Amino acid sequence: DADVTQTPRNRITKTGKRIMLECSQTKGHDRMYWYRQDPGLGLRLIYYSFDVKDINKGEISDGYSVSRQAQAKFSLSLESAIPNQTALYFCATSDSGAPYNEQFFGPGTRLTVL
Amino acid sequence: GDSVTQMEGPVTLSEEAFLTINCTYTATGYPSLFWYVQYPGEGLQLLLKATKADDKGSNKGFEATYRKETTSFHLEKGSVQVSDSAVYFCALSDQAAAGNKLTFGGGTRVLVKP
Repeated sequence: DADVTQTPRNRITKTGKRIMLECSQTKGHDRMYWYRQDPGLGLRLIYYSFDVKDINKGEISDGYSVSRQAQAKFSLSLESAIPNQTALYFCATSDSGAPYNEQFFGPGTRLTVL
Repeated sequence: GDSVTQMEGPVTLSEEAFLTINCTYTATGYPSLFWYVQYPGEGLQLLLKATKADDKGSNKGFEATYRKETTSFHLEKGSVQVSDSAVYFCALSDQAAAGNKLTFGGGTRVLVKP
């Protein structure tokens, strides 16, 4: 079974709709991240959480919110989706006890906003 | 702030050709450096890493050396296979930066033809 899972894997929605993307992990890591991937731009950090009570904005947090429901679960919400939020979204985890910040990625959610 | 610059793709090669993907970085501290690979339809996987100057990371025939004097971490493989077709991301993690986050380059798509 995958260590980092994301649901849904694909989603098509309309402008103005509220969308939630979910991420779960079985790695026991304390840190979790949400990124979006756009062609030619690599991955950009939306939000990150170092534990259940520690949530921080990344470089492109506008239009997004997150919830860390438990150590193993980190969800990303688009309160009112817009077309330029069409992208591939990745969740990742890391262990604060590791000597370097290796992150482990989920398979991604492809979101299309019409 | 931290940044990673890598060569734009796509890079198209024949099987058994030599592959180099250039990566340079700027960081405020003393970062760890990574290469991640994304195969079609999948999330990112760590390919190799280096955590201090002159370290050489290697995996699956790929190598990269941490060059502090040139702030570079170029990826090389001596003889590519069709299965190496993927998108490759250079990234850094700077423990001196807030959040100890990963900063990614824009990705380089590699296509290996038989």
